[in-house]
Amino acid sequence: GAVVSQHPSRVICKSGTSVKIECRSLDFQATTMFWYRQFPKQSLMLMATSNEGSKATYEQGVEKDKFLINHASLTLSTLTVTSAHPEDSSFYICSAWTPASGNTIYFGEGSWLTVV
Amino acid sequence: GQSLEQPSEVTAVEGAIVQINCTYQTSGFYGLSWYQQHDGGAPTFLSYNGLDGLEETGRFSSFLSRSDSYGYLLLQELQMKDSASYFCAVSKAAGNKLTFGGGTRVLVKP
Repeated sequence: GAVVSQHPSRVICKSGTSVKIECRSLDFQATTMFWYRQFPKQSLMLMATSNEGSKATYEQGVEKDKFLINHASLTLSTLTVTSAHPEDSSFYICSAWTPASGNTIYFGEGSWLTVV
Repeated sequence: GQSLEQPSEVTAVEGAIVQINCTYQTSGFYGLSWYQQHDGGAPTFLSYNGLDGLEETGRFSSFLSRSDSYGYLLLQELQMKDSASYFCAVSKAAGNKLTFGGGTRVLVKP
């Protein structure tokens, strides 16, 4: 099956700094990538949808200046958490889709962010 | 808006059958997906229903009734490794964003 890889899997950063998380589709070209955030024992909440070469569409309540999403190629999307605060500590998960995958959306392994 | 309701937790013994129900209210509907997530891991795709009826994939089956805005995931011959959280999710189009339910934590006991 399709593989979506995220890096880093775990990151600890200091409050006020920025952190970049990468999401790569390894064996297919992802037309669309999605970024989710998940707090412990909670559901996945969609943050934004990005299509290659265009600006991301953010969900209501998600600060686009804080969570910068770039989808520069069909195999790479990045999420940058700027000026991170402890409340940004969470599990960030990307997913990817291409028309050939039909109704299946493939998820990356997720990235644990801890802001201290 | 969209909302999906599913039970928060289910406990069963090995070999048993578990049904996880999901009811949804959406402003548009294309299909219902099911994902499994083990603690600390990423969601993995289990099943998809775009039309009414039952989809069977090994020990797992999923059902959809569009007229009732209802679906379920059936886990048969439960194994210890099936202990995980299960999420239903709706989409408004192929490749469209998924809106997830709250998740059902399934605990399988010996």
